[in-house]
Amino acid sequence: ETGVTQSPTHLIKTRGQQVTLRCSSQSGHNTVSWYQQALGQGPQFIFQYYREEENGRGNFPPRFSGLQFPNYSSELNVNALELDDSALYLCASSSGHFTGELFFGEGSRLTVL
Amino acid sequence: AQKVTQAQTEISVVEKEDVTLDCVYETRDTTYYLFWYKQPPSGELVFLIRRNSFDEQNEISGRYSWNFQKSTSSFNFTITASQVVDSAVYFCALIPSGNTGKLIFGQGTTLQVKP
Repeated sequence: ETGVTQSPTHLIKTRGQQVTLRCSSQSGHNTVSWYQQALGQGPQFIFQYYREEENGRGNFPPRFSGLQFPNYSSELNVNALELDDSALYLCASSSGHFTGELFFGEGSRLTVL
Repeated sequence: AQKVTQAQTEISVVEKEDVTLDCVYETRDTTYYLFWYKQPPSGELVFLIRRNSFDEQNEISGRYSWNFQKSTSSFNFTITASQVVDSAVYFCALIPSGNTGKLIFGQGTTLQVKP
């Protein structure tokens, strides 16, 4: 069974640039959620995709956008990067409409200079 | 408002000591789910337990045990006979009714177990 994989693991960008983070969900999972974890904080929910449709969004501006593909992998795009976007971005997959366990990847650590 | 509070920022114990991590939650929903996740230095969050709001039975899994008390809105986690490998950040989280996949996390408690 393949777990959740994310890429890249680390990246550095400058203010104003755009970034795309990728996530491959665990085999058999059709739901992907993205979380932002600032240093020393708990993860914050960004949004969730279920069968290629956005299915819930947290308190993040529109410059945070996402996609889910037919194979249930997903992308998180952030435009016009700001210094405060520096964080660990975690992807989690699950099967169906939740309440069960979320399986997390190891995250993509983004540094914005 | 939905909120999870982990008042202990950091805890340091010596191996073999017992340690309890506190979690207090707020929600007006009658149906909700509570979780504990472990985050080792590698970064991924590892699921430990899920508890629904209608099941107040305490649970034990090896050296881990959880005490869920609706009367005090608490869901505390105890590690018995701690080991160095238990060193990690532990997060308590809440999913209110209907919010599929949207975990509301606490700030986390960093546990350091010294040999």
